[in-house]
Amino acid sequence: GAGVSQSPSNKVTEKGKDVELRCDPISGHTALYWYRQSLGQGLEFLIYFQGNSAPDKSGLPSDRFSAERTGGSVSTLTIQRTQQEDSAVYLCASSWTSGSSYNEQFFGPGTRLTVL
Amino acid sequence: GNSVTQMEGPVTLSEEAFLTINCTYTATGYPSLFWYVQYPGEGLQLLLKATKADDKGSNKGFEATYRKETTSFHLEKGSVQVSDSAVYFCALRPTGNQFYFGTGTSLTVIP
Repeated sequence: GAGVSQSPSNKVTEKGKDVELRCDPISGHTALYWYRQSLGQGLEFLIYFQGNSAPDKSGLPSDRFSAERTGGSVSTLTIQRTQQEDSAVYLCASSWTSGSSYNEQFFGPGTRLTVL
Repeated sequence: GNSVTQMEGPVTLSEEAFLTINCTYTATGYPSLFWYVQYPGEGLQLLLKATKADDKGSNKGFEATYRKETTSFHLEKGSVQVSDSAVYFCALRPTGNQFYFGTGTSLTVIP
């Protein structure tokens, strides 16, 4: 079936504007992750959703970042009042469950965000 | 805490050369270990994994052995090909929800 999809693939915005990034996970996957990949950096964990449980928001860098997952499927990452340091590739991944210790994450192609 | 340290890149090798990309980790409990690969223009995909000490993960000619005594999970391939050019990420998953990734190592294989 279809893999993880993300939109838009590229987003250029002006400093101070709000942006919304969308992730459509693989159908049936209960776990969904957001990461940020900055130039020369590894993947930085942002937030994790598992079923109907409260999300793990421990990786969100500031209160300008928020995410929601509607109906246990599509997720939206919102960045308010964007700053230049928010420029990065934002990756979404999904997996079947987090209960096991070795479940594979399936990654989307990412959204490249550029804040001018 | 939990963290992954992997070999700095970029790495450039000639075709058929031997590849080692070092990865060491710090973790609580008994983590699972992974190597992910990102080919040019594509998303990350799982290359191989190991879930307990002394396990060897292997795929596409790549291997990595979970060494608890040295907290390492080095990636190796005996003979690289041009098509192996990519960025390689070491990752760990301790008990819990989060994955921890290294900074990635860029590999270029020249004919």
